[in-house]
Amino acid sequence: QKEVEQDPGPLSVPEGAIVSLNCTYSNSAFQYFMWYRQYSRKGPELLMYTYSSGNKEDGRFTAQVDKSSKYISLFIRDSQPSDSATYLCAMSENDMRFGAGTRLTVKP
Amino acid sequence: DAGITQSPRHKVTETGTPVTLRCHQTENHRYMYWYRQDPGHGLRLIHYSYGVKDTDKGEVSDGYSVSRSKTEDFLLTLESATSSQTSVYFCAISQDRGLNYGYTFGSGTRLTVV
Repeated sequence: QKEVEQDPGPLSVPEGAIVSLNCTYSNSAFQYFMWYRQYSRKGPELLMYTYSSGNKEDGRFTAQVDKSSKYISLFIRDSQPSDSATYLCAMSENDMRFGAGTRLTVKP
Repeated sequence: DAGITQSPRHKVTETGTPVTLRCHQTENHRYMYWYRQDPGHGLRLIHYSYGVKDTDKGEVSDGYSVSRSKTEDFLLTLESATSSQTSVYFCAISQDRGLNYGYTFGSGTRLTVV
């Protein structure tokens, strides 16, 4: 079993939809949780960062961490074609662990 | 990708030849990392550095070596390239092991071993 599990998709939604992306993990020591966005043929870029449990909102993006369930989510409201990318979750206690990424396409 | 550049961007090499990839940063960050990204595996850590001449292995370090003689440069060498090392390689930098500020990634090097 991988430490971090992420459904690779692909996920295709119409413009304006609410998108939910998720990861599960097995290491209860993880304290730092992140989401990266990666456009095709580019490096990942940090999108959201959360420490421990709870929610964090930044514009159309909301990150949630449920440590009791070992489950993290990223919600995208009013999705846009420019949100089409691969989204990677990442988490860490000392060493960063990445999910395999979910490929998202938002269709106009 | 501000402050971090990788070279070359693309390379095709033959099996058995040595290959060196370069990562250069202008951010003066202490930590530098080399990852490979493959379908179904995501990002896997090869080696990382926590200072000049200070390096350590990651989860997939076999067949790779690294060197950091200056703060700004981190080199990844494939000692004798194999087809299983065909991948996209990303360099990343961070201030504090990425715990509070995450990583900044380069644009990647696409390596093909034939």
